[in-house]
Amino acid sequence: EVQLVESGGHLVQPGRSLRLSCTASGFSFGDYGLSWVRQAPGKGLEWVAFIRSKAYGGTTDYASSVEGRFTISREDSKTIAYLQMNSLKTEDTGVYFCTRAVRVLASNYYYYLDVWGKGTPVTVSS
Amino acid sequence: DIQMTQSPSTLSASVGDRVTITCRASQSIVKWLAWYQQKPGKAPKLLIYRSSSLESGVPSRFSGSGSGTEFTLTISSLQPDDFATYYCQQYHSYWTFGQGTKVEIK
Repeated sequence: EVQLVESGGHLVQPGRSLRLSCTASGFSFGDYGLSWVRQAPGKGLEWVAFIRSKAYGGTTDYASSVEGRFTISREDSKTIAYLQMNSLKTEDTGVYFCTRAVRVLASNYYYYLDVWGKGTPVTVSS
Repeated sequence: DIQMTQSPSTLSASVGDRVTITCRASQSIVKWLAWYQQKPGKAPKLLIYRSSSLESGVPSRFSGSGSGTEFTLTISSLQPDDFATYYCQQYHSYWTFGQGTKVEIK
């Protein structure tokens, strides 16, 4: 069974750091891109960060709201992805979902998000 | 940035109804659009990708259409398990979600 399991979320004070983990199983982890999407309480979905597979450079992209503060990385040998979150703000509060990104080749490369973990809650508050 | 606008925000319907949700992109996204279903306290579930391709295991009462800037999700006959919030998402340039459409019991 294809599965993503997030961990590491908890209550943290503004300005502090937190690292989330996403442990994958049931598929060839290294062949896929991975993304983090968050959802503030009672709100909609917001894409946060993306990392390509090593075959496509392992490069990363970030939403402007987290650029410079968050870092996505991956450890293919352990089938784990990470989201390092620094200088946390109260507006970073929410549930963080790890998702698998499927690459599609057309005139360019596109990725859609097919498998989602259950999410891990992050609360930034003093 | 590409903005996604869904309508309506809330939809009241009965079991057996045909339901249509609309999603508009601020610029052309060709066919790079997905639809998700989310129930309270759960992760989103992929229903449709590439505007009209049904994800494996998703019932055939769900269908998607559109290209460019206008897209629709249709549920041909609403079932009790379909009461949820639906999101469109573009993946032409990074990823942006619509604000969601809550389908509630009439």
